[in-house]
Order: sequence, then structure tokens, then C-alpha cells
Amino acid sequence: QITLKESGPTLVKPTQTLTLTCNFSGFSLTTVGVGVAWIRQPPGKALEWLALVYWNDDKRYSPFLKSRLTITKDTSNNQVVLTMTNMDPVDTATYYCAYRASRSLRFDKWGQGALVTVSS
Amino acid sequence: SYELTQPPSVSVAPGQTARITCGGNNIGRQSVNWYQQKPGQAPVLVVYADSDRPSGIPERFSGSNSGNMATLIISGVEAGDEADYSCQVWDSNSDNYVFGPGTTVTVL
Repeated sequence: QITLKESGPTLVKPTQTLTLTCNFSGFSLTTVGVGVAWIRQPPGKALEWLALVYWNDDKRYSPFLKSRLTITKDTSNNQVVLTMTNMDPVDTATYYCAYRASRSLRFDKWGQGALVTVSS
Repeated sequence: SYELTQPPSVSVAPGQTARITCGGNNIGRQSVNWYQQKPGQAPVLVVYADSDRPSGIPERFSGSNSGNMATLIISGVEAGDEADYSCQVWDSNSDNYVFGPGTTVTVL
């Protein structure tokens, strides 16, 4: 059974850096083709893909936020970490991590999400 | 960048068929995925690759995709199907996973 769970601060101040951790189980990030993504959703708004790291450590970022994002993986601890710099109130959202099955273009399983509020 | 359009809301009576559209330029050439999201919950994949269902998803959920429109079809709608539904594709031109704005399905 695949599970993912996000953790991190619930409140960050403008200009600070956000660090979120995704702990997962039920699959290995060393399996060929597998990936873990970060996706966010501002309150009442649409889902927005942020970043994805593949089993081979290849990384992809949203072209709109690329300069602010870094995604890394720790396969020994089954974790994926996302950092986002220079946080702004418009970045207030629920942040999800999600499992991308081998060689697919979809997100098969999602974590419960973590609400992050950006406010001074 | 590639954009997807969806109607904000769809209303349907119990037992009837709901059709939720997702528009995009030549979307018929893309592989479209659909997610169901109930209030306060994470999205759940209900249809992938235009018309396939993950295990555990009822046969009432199906999909089609052609031309500039993809459609999620929910047959025999139940009260528990009330949720937001979002379509998603991968845009190879920008190497970007794109989501639609979402459609709220209300069961009358």
C-alpha cells in the first residue's frame, strides 16, 4: 500500500524559505521510472504542479517557479524535500506530494496535504 | 503555455449521467487524467490515459478524448459523487504538468 505524508511549517513569513518534507512508503524511489512530485492548491483555486524528482535523480520544475524551487530525494529514508525561496502571501496553499508511477504521466497517489500560510 | 478549460459547475439529478468537459488545443493528442477531490481531502485519480480506471474506481466513471475536448462521464450519479473534478495533462512543449481549473459537480 502506497502512502505519502507531508510535513513542515504551517506558517512562514514573507521572504522566508519554505522547506517541506514528504515521507513515503509502499514503493521505492530507486525503481526505474518512478517519481515523486509536489503540487499545491491555493484556497478555492486550481491545482498547480511545482516539481518532480525521478528515480535517477533527474529533476523537473514548473517553468513559472523554477528559480525559487529545489527538490531533492533521500532514498535511504524514503523522503523527498521541497524548498521554495522568497515566500509571498500568494504562496499560501495546501502543498501535496504525490506518487508518479513508472513511465506514466499521472499522479496515482497523493498525500493528505499540508496547509502553509504566508503572513507576517 | 498550454491551458485547459473546464465549466465551473455541473448539476445532475441522482441516477442521471454527468458529463464534465476539459478543453484544450488538440487535447485529443494528449493523455488526459481526471481527479476527484472532496472538500478537505486530497485529490483521487479516477480516470487515466483518457478512459482507463484505477483499481477500486467504480465502472460508473469513464472518459473520452477527441479533437479539442476530453470528457469525464459519471453514469448513475450518486450523492457521494459530489466533488470537484480536475483534468490534467503533461505538456511536452514546456515539460509541465498542467491542471484544469476544476468543475464542481452538484447532485440535486
